[in-house]
Amino acid sequence: KAGVTQTPRYLIKTRGQQVTLSCSPISGHRSVSWYQQTPGQGLQFLFEYFSETQRNKGNFPGRFSGRQFSNSRSEMNVSTLELGDSALYLCASSLGEGDTQYFGPGTRLTVL
Amino acid sequence: AQTVTQSQPEMSVQEAETVTLSCTYDTSENNYYLFWYKQPPSRQMILVIRQEAYKQQNATENRFSVNFQKAAKSFSLKISDSQLGDTAMYFCAFMGDSSNTGKLIFGQGTTLQVKP
Repeated sequence: KAGVTQTPRYLIKTRGQQVTLSCSPISGHRSVSWYQQTPGQGLQFLFEYFSETQRNKGNFPGRFSGRQFSNSRSEMNVSTLELGDSALYLCASSLGEGDTQYFGPGTRLTVL
Repeated sequence: AQTVTQSQPEMSVQEAETVTLSCTYDTSENNYYLFWYKQPPSRQMILVIRQEAYKQQNATENRFSVNFQKAAKSFSLKISDSQLGDTAMYFCAFMGDSSNTGKLIFGQGTTLQVKP
């Protein structure tokens, strides 16, 4: 089976812009979770989607949003980018509750 | 709130030797899942091992094994016969059972260097 894929792998944006990141889960996986990784804050949970429904959300401002499509692919959007949004964004997919999460290679976002 | 603590920011080990990475966690839940993930310089997060809290037997995967002490809320990772390819950052992670579905809580990570 193909692993989790994320596009794009690298992205450079300027403050105030918005960005959309995409995640394609492992075939058959219906849960997609998103994480932000920074040197200062480590790995932090953004949100989780299962069957097109957001089931869980981390402590991030409303500028961070996401959605999931009927084929389980997920996107996350960050509006009005800030310098502090520069990070590695990881998505992970799993079969569902309690199942192991498998990670994609990440999208490296740089905000200038 | 659940927390995960890795008290060793950096460790090193000689090739072929054994090393143990520490992890403690805090939760009021009785059933949960614990994981060790490895993140090499490529930044790809790779599952190393998984432990279900209801299982008393410690999980093993080839050269990797855990020492799960539920009462002490401790979950250490032992790497035997260390190889150069084991050089990476290692994260301990917690996932609750019914609460906070789909959410992994990570420790701060331990950078492991395997020396030739």
